[in-house]
Amino acid sequence: DAGVIQSPRHEVTEMGQEVTLRCKPISGHDYLFWYRQTMMRGLELLIYFNNNVPIDDSGMPEDRFSAKMPNASFSTLKIQPSEPRDSAVYFCASSLDSRMNTEAFFGQGTRLTVV
Amino acid sequence: KNQVEQSPQSLIILEGKNCTLQCNYTVSPFSNLRWYKQDTGRGPVSLTIMTFSENTKSNGRYTATLDADTKQSSLHITASQLSDSASYICVVNPGGGADGLTFGKGTHLIIQP
Repeated sequence: DAGVIQSPRHEVTEMGQEVTLRCKPISGHDYLFWYRQTMMRGLELLIYFNNNVPIDDSGMPEDRFSAKMPNASFSTLKIQPSEPRDSAVYFCASSLDSRMNTEAFFGQGTRLTVV
Repeated sequence: KNQVEQSPQSLIILEGKNCTLQCNYTVSPFSNLRWYKQDTGRGPVSLTIMTFSENTKSNGRYTATLDADTKQSSLHITASQLSDSASYICVVNPGGGADGLTFGKGTHLIIQP
């Protein structure tokens, strides 16, 4: 397996534009996580899915953020409209389950810059 | 409030030297603690995971320790190599769902030749 695949690797956009980040989890993993990483706050969980169903989206900062998982092999994180403070690295991760000792495997991230 | 504090924030050492990174947490209850290594421009990769009953666990030149009584963990790197240059993130799991994971902000380690 190629691991968790994210696209694009880098995204530069103007304030107010819509941004869509994409993720393909590891096949067979039932859980998918979206994280945001900044120097100031470190890694923060935005939302996670179990079997394509959103379980907890309390980490989504605002209504401008939305995430979908239409099938087991694909998820998107959308920001509309984007703002400069959304600039960060966004990681997608997947795991067999969300509990105890199960490891989450991370993608390489999407570095988003909003100017 | 559940918190994970890591120290130092950054560290520079010479190749071949040893170093120890610290992680203090206030997360309760406690299920496990994981150390991740994050290379520049890449996602975090798990190094070790420790449960309540484990005091020490090794992964090659990496040795993690856990004192659940004082809520402290350390990651010791022996005979450092240039490839050890990375950020090291401590993550504590209280045992519930993924929303309960508490992440430290990491220690940025630079190994100089």
